[in-house]
Amino acid sequence: KNQVEQSPQSLIILEGKNCTLQCNYTVSPFSNLRWYKQDTGRGPVSLTIMTFSENTKSNGRYTATLDADTKQSSLHITASQLSDSASYICVVSSGGDKLIFGTGTRLQVFP
Amino acid sequence: DTGVSQDPRHKITKRGQNVTFRCDPISEHNRLYWYRQTLGQGPEFLTYFQNEAQLEKSRLLSDRFSAERPKGSFSTLEIQRTEQGDSAMYLCASSFGQGEAGELFFGEGSRLTVL
Repeated sequence: KNQVEQSPQSLIILEGKNCTLQCNYTVSPFSNLRWYKQDTGRGPVSLTIMTFSENTKSNGRYTATLDADTKQSSLHITASQLSDSASYICVVSSGGDKLIFGTGTRLQVFP
Repeated sequence: DTGVSQDPRHKITKRGQNVTFRCDPISEHNRLYWYRQTLGQGPEFLTYFQNEAQLEKSRLLSDRFSAERPKGSFSTLEIQRTEQGDSAMYLCASSFGQGEAGELFFGEGSRLTVL
């Protein structure tokens, strides 16, 4: 069964600290992996899209890594800000229009 | 604003009533998706259009749900005889692509509360 699992389910950090969110998937075939940020009550916003051949991709303070062999991805947030408080959703594309969503990691950044 | 827009943003209705949501995608996008999201969960796929053709429907989409995209532009999602379990955020997304799903751009969602 195609699944995307994220950990931790929730995370609390202090402003300025770094954190890493994990995504493990059992999706086959694999086409690409996406990370989205979703503020409370808003729609998700794309952070990165990574294909099979990409190991790392950055978007400002966000850096995503992908290990297609172990089927793991991580999203690293550097020097967190209050505005980083949101849910981060990992999405894996199985080719065509098949997108499998994780349940997200809820990040709270406190001053 | 050239993003995906959804209307209404919030809808409160009584059980048994019909509701309709509208989604206006980014103008050049040929693909349009509907998702449902409940609290603490990721979005669940409901249905997908390429231009005006509805190419896929999830098993989550019961007979009470119907979606249209009559001219390949805006789309509507109607829920008939609403039930309390229909309470959720309904998200619309659009993308441009032929084969692989391109980058999805989501709207702000329509939150439904069924009393």
